[in-house]
Amino acid sequence: GESVGLHLPTLSVQEGDNSIINCAYSNSASDYFIWYKQESGKGPQFIIDIRSNMDKRQGQRVTVLLNKTVKHLSLQIAATQPGDSAVYFCAEKQSGSARQLTFGSGTQLTVLP
Amino acid sequence: NAGVMQNPRHLVRRRGQEARLRCSPMKGHSHVYWYRQLPEEGLKFMVYLQKENIIDESGMPKERFSAEFPKEGPSILRIQQVVRGDSAAYFCASYGGLSAEAFFGQGTRLTVV
Repeated sequence: GESVGLHLPTLSVQEGDNSIINCAYSNSASDYFIWYKQESGKGPQFIIDIRSNMDKRQGQRVTVLLNKTVKHLSLQIAATQPGDSAVYFCAEKQSGSARQLTFGSGTQLTVLP
Repeated sequence: NAGVMQNPRHLVRRRGQEARLRCSPMKGHSHVYWYRQLPEEGLKFMVYLQKENIIDESGMPKERFSAEFPKEGPSILRIQQVVRGDSAAYFCASYGGLSAEAFFGQGTRLTVV
């Protein structure tokens, strides 16, 4: 099945706190996952990716966790900053196949001063 | 290295007119995806093209919508006889095929009046 993007859930955090954004994916055959950040009026911007042979991957201030058993993906942002306010989308794909990159419903992150 | 270029950024059309949206992928990329995004919703897949081939058009309406990616020049998404419901942001993404990471353009915001 396909993930369906509907009205966005929201998450508000205080500046400096850590943020955790969750995503459930639908296709058990997906083996590549990406988190994108989309600021108002702009296109999605790549943040971090992870392949299914990994459970965790860290970048600068961001960590992605993958739980294949329950088909769950999370994005952790450390020391959240005002510039992190945006909509965050997870996307899944079967690498090596012609299937499209499928997006989950996004989460609107708002950082409070 | 120029990113994915979409033009125009904003397009206003009257009902019944044609809309042509252009996408120039990143240099060296031969795969293009088109997505549609309604306000406060996720990105919905429309069509996936390689040079001179439509690989997957399962997300594109059968009527009024068409897409091409010629050997030379940008990918074109064409919407004929536009209706108000076509108003949305249309994004294209390109990738090289070897890496699964897709890079997005800034989108074209179509408004049908």
